[in-house]
Amino acid sequence: GDSVTQMEGPVTLSEEAFLTINCTYTATGYPSLFWYVQYPGEGLQLLLKATKADDKGSNKGFEATYRKETTSFHLEKGSVQVSDSAVYFCALGNQAGTALIFGKGTTLSVSS
Amino acid sequence: ETGVTQTPRHLVMGMTNKKSLKCEQHLGHNAMYWYKQSAKKPLELMFVYNFKEQTENNSVPSRFSPECPNSSHLFLHLHTLQPEDSALYLCASSQEQGMGNYGYTFGSGTRLTVV
Repeated sequence: GDSVTQMEGPVTLSEEAFLTINCTYTATGYPSLFWYVQYPGEGLQLLLKATKADDKGSNKGFEATYRKETTSFHLEKGSVQVSDSAVYFCALGNQAGTALIFGKGTTLSVSS
Repeated sequence: ETGVTQTPRHLVMGMTNKKSLKCEQHLGHNAMYWYKQSAKKPLELMFVYNFKEQTENNSVPSRFSPECPNSSHLFLHLHTLQPEDSALYLCASSQEQGMGNYGYTFGSGTRLTVV
């Protein structure tokens, strides 16, 4: 069945460092891909999404490109801030009648 | 009020209590979901409702009982819970189940502690 695999965390960075969180997927058909972010004590918020191959989703300095050839949707940010400390979830959605499939989440900790 | 609202934000209950979690959305969505988020574990999908009809129950114990009276409201009734049921319970909504390209909108969750 469909699945999402994220890199294990935690990821610990200094402020202004470059961030990459890897996400790969297995799916039939042409899924949509999402990144959600969860700040401490909160629910998940949609960060960005891409609905077809080669689409780039972007928001708040974060970017991810839908790569069908490598079945990947890696999250990147050029310069992280302390306020970016959170848990990041990669997710996959299709139109086969099933719910969104989430990765296990990657914890990011940014220090000043 | 917009978005998905969950109440209460925090709940402490004894193992013999009965309580309910409430979720409300004013987004015009037709699908609603309950997720359980425990420490060190992946998000667990519990129940799915689409146009008020339950479409998925992921082998959830009967001590959790969902109710969806209309497309805007979703409840999770709790009774005779166990300490391992302590977790963050998240509600989400989406345009319609099966329209996966739209994503979900989540509430802030209810932090449940069973003592």
